[in-house]
Amino acid sequence: QKEVEQNSGPLSVPEGAIASLNCTYSDRGSQSFFWYRQYSGKSPELIMFIYSNGDKEDGRFTAQLNKASQYVSLLIRDSQPSDSATYLCAVNHPGGGADGLTFGKGTHLIIQP
Amino acid sequence: GAVVSQHPSRVICKSGTSVKIECRSLDFQATTMFWYRQFPKQSLMLMATSNEGSKATYEQGVEKDKFLINHASLTLSTLTVTSAHPEDSSFYICSARTGRLSGSDGYTFGSGTRLTVV
Repeated sequence: QKEVEQNSGPLSVPEGAIASLNCTYSDRGSQSFFWYRQYSGKSPELIMFIYSNGDKEDGRFTAQLNKASQYVSLLIRDSQPSDSATYLCAVNHPGGGADGLTFGKGTHLIIQP
Repeated sequence: GAVVSQHPSRVICKSGTSVKIECRSLDFQATTMFWYRQFPKQSLMLMATSNEGSKATYEQGVEKDKFLINHASLTLSTLTVTSAHPEDSSFYICSARTGRLSGSDGYTFGSGTRLTVV
């Protein structure tokens, strides 16, 4: 069973602070890791993806991957109220001709003005 | 970038009727389309994978006779919910497999369809 685990929250962070979102996955064969942001009633939108161990930065966002610990995180610096949303961690399991994403349940992030 | 157009965005149907959801790739050829379902406050669950010109592969627990998937062309995949019941009410989202050139690293999502069965 391929599982992706996230703390559902809500995670409340003051505006301007750093929001830290965490995710663990069960399948060691996973190769690609994604963070999506989803507003209520909308389709998910990609924030970042990461393949290699270490950090990947894009603007205010940093994704961190530790394959040995099967752990991936997302840091949001200088949090803004518009960052309030549900953040979905997703993992790709390539092979066998079917490589759809497995999603976690998402963490509900609230940025307090 | 790659765009997937999904229609309708919302549909309300009576119990026992069928509903068709369409996903079109507008500026690329989608050889593979994924269909997800999301219940309130839950995550996206992969229902099935469709490849152009072949039968869809369904995830465990998803009834293939109830959720009919057709991927007859490289730009169109459809999901038909047959004999819909209230428990089928959900948010259905398609996602096309694209190349890394799309910038999304291979997955482009449609805007979703909110299905309500009354």
